Parts: sequence; C-alpha cells; structure tokens
Amino acid sequence: ETGVTQTPRHLVMGMTNKKSLKCEQHLGHNAMYWYKQSAKKPLELMFVYNFKEQTENNSVPSRFSPECPNSSHLFLHLHTLQPEDSALYLCASSQDWGTPDTQYFGPGTRLTVL
Amino acid sequence: AQKITQTQPGMFVQEKEAVTLDCTYDTSDPSYGLFWYKQPSSGEMIFLIYQGSYDQQNATEGRYSLNFQKARKSANLVISASQLGDSAMYFCAMREGDTSGTYKYIFGTGTRLKVLA
Repeated sequence: ETGVTQTPRHLVMGMTNKKSLKCEQHLGHNAMYWYKQSAKKPLELMFVYNFKEQTENNSVPSRFSPECPNSSHLFLHLHTLQPEDSALYLCASSQDWGTPDTQYFGPGTRLTVL
Repeated sequence: AQKITQTQPGMFVQEKEAVTLDCTYDTSDPSYGLFWYKQPSSGEMIFLIYQGSYDQQNATEGRYSLNFQKARKSANLVISASQLGDSAMYFCAMREGDTSGTYKYIFGTGTRLKVLA
C-alpha cells in the first residue's frame, strides 16, 4: 500500500455543507499533519498531532475541526466554509513530531467551496 | 521576512539537459535541514532529497543533487538528464528548531518546471 492516502481526492461543497477529509498512513509513524496549499502561497501548516494528541493549531478558524482517533488516521471536519477555503489540503506524517524526521505526504484533497 | 525563497516561479528545460532550481533560506538555528519535494499535477508531494546543515558533502539521490552553499545560505536542486516526467512543481523546504527544542517545517512558494521534448 502507498504510504499516505487521502480521501476524497476531489470535493465540491456549498458553504452550508458539512464534510470530512480522511487521511491514513501505513508507515508506522506517530506524527500526522494537515497542510493547506493555496495558489501561489507557501504551504501553510494547520494542525499537528503526535501520538493522537494535538500539539499545534496554527490559528486555524473553528470551521476546520481535526480529529485523530489513532496514530494511523487523521480527519479534517469541515463546516460552513468560505470560498477562500478552496485549496489543496495535504496530509503528511513523520516518525515523530518535533524531531528531525522527513515528512511524507499524501496526494491531497482538492477542495472547492461554492 | 521570507525564510525560504524560491525566485523562479517557472522554468523550462530541454529533455536530457540539466537544470538548476534555486533556493535560499534564512535561519539562526545552527542545526537545520533542507529538503526538496516534487509535486506533480496529481497533487502528491514527493520527497526527493535531504541536506543536513552539518553534512560535509552535497547530497545526491540518483539524478538529483543538492548544491549546498552554507555561507551563501543557498540549497539549489540540480536535476541532471531531465525527463518529461520531471515536469512538476518543486518545493524547497527547511526544518529548523526553535528555543523550545522542537522543529518546524517551512516551505517556499515553489518553482514550476516544464521539460520540453
């Protein structure tokens, strides 16, 4: 299986919808990350989970709600999003957080908010 | 101030030729790491190569090499013998530590490479 998988790959939603993005890693890593990639902007780190505990929240609006039930799975729950939230959402994992480990990324979910 | 700067928004290279993608960085952490990732149109970020700040030799991985010039704070990616499949966005990233002893990743804005047949 590929290292980090994300579903769905594409998502179109209205501003009043509720949806969830899923990330799964098969690498035995302990840390997982959500990034937002907007056009012509650097990747923005949103959330970090280490051993299922949230260790970082980079001032992300509350309409984004992460969930990490175990070290292999990470969700991003979306509700009442805005059109400016349209972006590529990338999940990544690494052996541990806060250590000099390489991050491995999933294929991303392309989100369009109408 | 930008911590990772990629000044080339787009580059073209002829197939089978070499190309250099520029990256400069800024950090006060003496122990840092530099990464290059490739992002094809499919969206996945693929790890290419890593250079540690204390590594004496430039990193190489197959056709990829990192031209690390520490004094100039540059970490350019060199792709030799370009292939059509190399067409993608390329991101330079830096991992640096902070005063609390943890590490963070910072990404550049990317360079879009197009390989011409």
